[in-house]
Amino acid sequence: DQQVKQNSPSLSVQEGRISILNCDYTNSMFDYFLWYKKYPAEGPTFLISISSIKDKNEDGRFTVFLNKSAKHLSLHIVPSQPGDSAVYFCAAKGGSGSARQLTFGSGTQLTVLP
Amino acid sequence: DVKVTQSSRYLVKRTGEKVFLECVQDMDHENMFWYRQDPGLGLRLIYFSYDVKMKEKGDIPEGYSVSREKKERFSLILESASTNQTSMYLCASSLRRTGNTEAFFGQGTRLTVV
Repeated sequence: DQQVKQNSPSLSVQEGRISILNCDYTNSMFDYFLWYKKYPAEGPTFLISISSIKDKNEDGRFTVFLNKSAKHLSLHIVPSQPGDSAVYFCAAKGGSGSARQLTFGSGTQLTVLP
Repeated sequence: DVKVTQSSRYLVKRTGEKVFLECVQDMDHENMFWYRQDPGLGLRLIYFSYDVKMKEKGDIPEGYSVSREKKERFSLILESASTNQTSMYLCASSLRRTGNTEAFFGQGTRLTVV
């Protein structure tokens, strides 16, 4: 049973427009959420995160929104650039586990068209 | 900058071989993780370790074992490689046992079992 779901395997957006990537989770113990970006043949790189005590976190062109009641978060990229084309993974951690490991979604391939 | 280094970018092994994937991090992180990435499935946790000589099973430990003899090094072992273990393997580390910190990933090892 997937605890973190990214229901859109792919998304295409025109350069300069907004990209919105969505993520849903089922485990109410999750209290910290992250987005990673991954290029082919490279490891994922951390992009932005949000704690469950907040509903928004912004870093430059990237903003993450958290709706705890809906168990939903989204990543907004404005304006989108061709270099943003990559796979984006949503991840979550929580509970009292010994290492608080990350649980990942299946990823969304973003393509930004010039 | 945190650096997580995986010993090989690409590996080709035969069915039944014992395979070792090595990972080293240079930032004195307590936690280390092994994930595999497969299309449509995202990143799935194989094993993790929160201290030297400590290990815990992740979501898909079958067919794998791990070793952590030193804090900076975490090895993934495929006891008898099979074709369904063909995948991208990603090592990660994170700073603290608890708390809101991101995990840093290595560049990945693309393993093909023939």
